[in-house]
Amino acid sequence: DADVTQTPRNRITKTGKRIMLECSQTKGHDRMYWYRQDPGLGLRLIYYSFDVKDINKGEISDGYSVSRQAQAKFSLSLESAIPNQTALYFCATSGNGQGSWGANVLTFGAGSRLTVL
Amino acid sequence: GDSVTQMEGPVTLSEEAFLTINCTYTATGYPSLFWYVQYPGEGLQLLLKATKADDKGSNKGFEATYRKETTSFHLEKGSVQVSDSAVYFCALSGAYSGAGSYQLTFGKGTKLSVIP
Repeated sequence: DADVTQTPRNRITKTGKRIMLECSQTKGHDRMYWYRQDPGLGLRLIYYSFDVKDINKGEISDGYSVSRQAQAKFSLSLESAIPNQTALYFCATSGNGQGSWGANVLTFGAGSRLTVL
Repeated sequence: GDSVTQMEGPVTLSEEAFLTINCTYTATGYPSLFWYVQYPGEGLQLLLKATKADDKGSNKGFEATYRKETTSFHLEKGSVQVSDSAVYFCALSGAYSGAGSYQLTFGKGTKLSVIP
């Protein structure tokens, strides 16, 4: 099994629908992240969490919410999906220390492709 | 704020050709620098890293040297293979985001295609 598992892998939905993307990890990492990838724009951080009780907004959090249900689970919700949220979404995890770089060695899931019509 | 600029792709090379993907950065302080690679249909994975000036990161035949004087971290490989076809992302860890962690800022990615 993959270290970081995202479900669903592909989803097509309509404008106004509520969508949840789920992420689970077996790395034992405390830190989890949600990124969005768009062609020509690279990766942009939506939300991140350093532990179950710590949730932080990233660069582009508007229109999204998250829930850290357990150390191993971090879900991303779109309360009312809109077409410009069509993108590839990645969950990632990282460890806790070994210097400033250690916490930024990210392990990524395979991605969830979302299309909003 | 922090930023990373990569050469625009796509880059198409023949097998065994020399590869350079340019990356320059803007950051305050002393960031750590990374190259991540994304193979088709997969998530990103760390390729190599460097944590201070003049460090050279290397992995799978790829190399990059942290050049503070030119604020660069160019990725190189002497002889590319078809299996190197992927999207390559340069990244830096800069702004402190609490709990001993620094946020990653990614470049836009450079797509490499290697043809036989």
